[in-house]
Amino acid sequence: AQTVTQSQPEMSVQEAETVTLSCTYDTSENNYYLFWYKQPPSRQMILVIRQEAYKQQNATENRFSVNFQKAAKSFSLKISDSQLGDTAMYFCAYSGGGADGLTFGKGTHLIIQP
Amino acid sequence: DTGVSQDPRHKITKRGQNVTFRCDPISEHNRLYWYRQTLGQGPEFLTYFQNEAQLEKSRLLSDRFSAERPKGSFSTLEIQRTEQGDSAMYLCASSSGQGLQPQHFGDGTRLSIL
Repeated sequence: AQTVTQSQPEMSVQEAETVTLSCTYDTSENNYYLFWYKQPPSRQMILVIRQEAYKQQNATENRFSVNFQKAAKSFSLKISDSQLGDTAMYFCAYSGGGADGLTFGKGTHLIIQP
Repeated sequence: DTGVSQDPRHKITKRGQNVTFRCDPISEHNRLYWYRQTLGQGPEFLTYFQNEAQLEKSRLLSDRFSAERPKGSFSTLEIQRTEQGDSAMYLCASSSGQGLQPQHFGDGTRLSIL
């Protein structure tokens, strides 16, 4: 079974700083999909960024980028120029080649301090 | 696109009662997913539908849990003979396909068992 591990329960940085959230996963599949979702307090989960395993180029979405290391099974999220609105729980998630549901990590609570 | 809608937002019930939650996906999405999220954890996949067909239900937590999507549109999740451990947030998500197609989440239904 696939597992997703987020080793940082909580992180706190100052506004405008860059922060990196770590995620590792375990799978025996060769093609799969990885996602970062953001869950603000009492609000719904929204997609931040996604990556297809067989694409070597790291995905980027504005201030958000990933460092995907397939051999190491690592998928970290970098947030540049952090903003107060980035304060949220961040979940790393895995999806296999089939159509099953996502496997989530336990999340990292990111706090952006003014 | 009105987003994924879940009803009710909160449900409080006594142990042993049956509860039913409803999810209305984004209208053009043919895939619908149910997750459970307990405090401090990431969402846990329960089941999913493609149109009206339930393609994965082995991950439902017990035989007290069941889900339907009778006409391939809205879905219901029922928990019979509720137990204290069923207290959680129940999330619904929908997508237009598999792989990189993102799942769009609703606000969830928070269940509290007295």
